[in-house]
Amino acid sequence: AQKVTQAQTEISVVEKEDVTLDCVYETRDTTYYLFWYKQPPSGELVFLIRRNSFDEQNEISGRYSWNFQKSTSSFNFTITASQVVDSAVYFCALSEAWGAQKLVFGQGTRLTINP
Amino acid sequence: DVKVTQSSRYLVKRTGEKVFLECVQDMDHENMFWYRQDPGLGLRLIYFSYDVKMKEKGDIPEGYSVSREKKERFSLILESASTNQTSMYLCASSLVSAGTNEKLFFGSGTQLSVL
Repeated sequence: AQKVTQAQTEISVVEKEDVTLDCVYETRDTTYYLFWYKQPPSGELVFLIRRNSFDEQNEISGRYSWNFQKSTSSFNFTITASQVVDSAVYFCALSEAWGAQKLVFGQGTRLTINP
Repeated sequence: DVKVTQSSRYLVKRTGEKVFLECVQDMDHENMFWYRQDPGLGLRLIYFSYDVKMKEKGDIPEGYSVSREKKERFSLILESASTNQTSMYLCASSLVSAGTNEKLFFGSGTQLSVL
C-alpha cells in the first residue's frame, strides 16, 4: 500500500528565514509520481510540482526548491527567504503510475510565516 | 484556466438527511475525484470516476455514493448524513495522458456540518 508521511504538523518561522518541509513516502511500485500542493486560506489546493520516480534531479523555481532522494524515500520542499504570503497548508502526495492515477496525500504541514 | 466549481462553500444539514454535493469542471477532464479533508488526516479519497457512468471506490467509501451522468459533473451523495461526516469535501479533476500522471485541479471545497 502507498503511504505518505509529513511528520511536521505545524511550523512557524519569521519572515526571511529558510524553511524545509519534510515528506517521506512508501510504495512498492518502481514507477510512481510525487507532488506538492499548497492550500492557502481560500481552501483551493494549488499545484506546485510533479516529479516522476525516474527523475531524481533537484528542482528550483524562484524561492522554492525540491530535493528528491529515492535512497531515503524522501521528497522535501524548501522555501528560501520566506514571505508572509507563503503561509498555507502544504501537502505532499504520491500517485501510482498506472490505473486511475489517484493521489495519496500526507497529513499536511501548516506553515506560518510571521512578519 | 481549468475551473472546478463546487456548488456550496458551506452547508449545514441534520442527521439522517440526504445530502448532495455537486461538482462541475469545464475542461473536459476524464477523471474526477471526491476527497474529504480532516485535521491531522490530510486528504482521503472517497470515490473517483474515470468516465461517464464509471466509478470506483476510494479508501473511505462507506456512507457515500456518487453519480456521474455527464462528463463535466460529479456528484457526491450522503444517503443518510451522520455527525462523523462533518468535514471539508474537495472535488478534483484531471486529464488522462499517456505516459504521465497529470496534476489534479481542485475546487474550493464544501465545509459540511452535520448536526
